[in-house]
Amino acid sequence: QVHLVQSGAEVKKPGASVKVSCKASGYTFTNYAMHWVRRAPGQRLEWMGWINADNGNTKYSQKFQGRVTITRDTSASSAYMELSSLESEDTAVYYCARGATGGWPTDYWGQGTLVTVSS
Amino acid sequence: EIVLTQSPGTLSLSPGERATLSCRASQSVSSSYLAWFQQKPGQAPRLLIYGASSRATGIPDRFSGSGSGTDFTLTISRLEPEDFAVYYCQQYGSQGYTFGQGTKLEIK
Repeated sequence: QVHLVQSGAEVKKPGASVKVSCKASGYTFTNYAMHWVRRAPGQRLEWMGWINADNGNTKYSQKFQGRVTITRDTSASSAYMELSSLESEDTAVYYCARGATGGWPTDYWGQGTLVTVSS
Repeated sequence: EIVLTQSPGTLSLSPGERATLSCRASQSVSSSYLAWFQQKPGQAPRLLIYGASSRATGIPDRFSGSGSGTDFTLTISRLEPEDFAVYYCQQYGSQGYTFGQGTKLEIK
């Protein structure tokens, strides 16, 4: 069955960057896109962007454009999300989720990675 | 960007009652690319409904979705204790995905 396993919790200082990984199994990695979604404490789910795992094309939410980079390694069936210029407001649980580049919802999710930004 | 607005913010009901949750879009959602998720504390969101009205694999039939265009509804026919959670709608068009702000379904 489909599994998405994310890297462990991170603590970062303001201004730093964080990179979270997501390893997929149980399906053909290049047949889908990988999305990244976050939920800050008491806030709604926020869609950050996607990567087409086949061709590497990306699309980012305007809110995170210029600060987020999503990449993938097809040989490792893994996707990565790097967020730069961290602020305390970026403290959140970050999720990867399988989906498409439109037309299919995020159907399987990773377990989440807590990123804490604190001086 | 399509903005999704959910109502009510909090819904207080008892087990056995019927729950009706609303999701309104700022513009028409193409091809009914509208999904509903359930999220419990400490867990990842779980896909319940996609295509506005199709249940995801393994989802009980007490969950149903309806609507088109800009107005969508999630109905839980008879609430079970495990249904009390936060519910989100999501639109998944080719211009990017967005979520509503969530409805918290709490035990009365």
